Amino acid sequence: KQEVTQIPAALSVPEGENLVLNCSFTDSAIYNLQWFRQDPGKGLTSLLLIQSSQREQTSGRLNASLDKSSGRSTLYIAASQPGDSATYLCAVKQAGTALIFGKGTTLSVSS
Amino acid sequence: KAGVTQTPRYLIKTRGQQVTLSCSPISGHRSVSWYQQTPGQGLQFLFEYFSETQRNKGNFPGRFSGRQFSNSRSEMNVSTLELGDSALYLCASSLVGELGGEQYFGPGTRLTVT
Repeated sequence: KQEVTQIPAALSVPEGENLVLNCSFTDSAIYNLQWFRQDPGKGLTSLLLIQSSQREQTSGRLNASLDKSSGRSTLYIAASQPGDSATYLCAVKQAGTALIFGKGTTLSVSS
Repeated sequence: KAGVTQTPRYLIKTRGQQVTLSCSPISGHRSVSWYQQTPGQGLQFLFEYFSETQRNKGNFPGRFSGRQFSNSRSEMNVSTLELGDSALYLCASSLVGELGGEQYFGPGTRLTVT
């Protein structure tokens, strides 16, 4: 059974710092991995989708990598801003299943 | 292009009542999935519909049901509400189903059961 873990559960950084969020999964047989952002009480906003054949994806200040063989993905946020404060969720998609989510990392960026 | 819309955004119901939530996917998307989010359990999958057929189902009791219409709009129904059903219910749509296209989520319906 696939399990997705995100460490740390919470992270506080000063504005301008570069940071890395981690996501690990137990079964490497995935179609893709998706990173989401969730603001308090809101829905999920898709940030990046990495297909199983890809190693990384970039969007603006965000870069996500995928190492299927080791069951790991990282989300790199460059030059963090207070507006980046939110909960970041990763989710994996496998055959015959829905997205399986981690519990998320809650990021707080102080000005 | 309009995003995924969910109605209503907030609901307050009493134990024992039933509730129906609605989701309109992005135009052209045929796959609609429903998730329940609670502080303790995180995001849990309820069911997925593709072209009006339930493709996958999560581990929820039969009180939770859903359907999809020919225009891809979907509804989920919860009967005999319990306090533990209080949660944020999220709907997601994607262009392709089984092969795992990018999922786009709506703003959610916040259900409070008293």
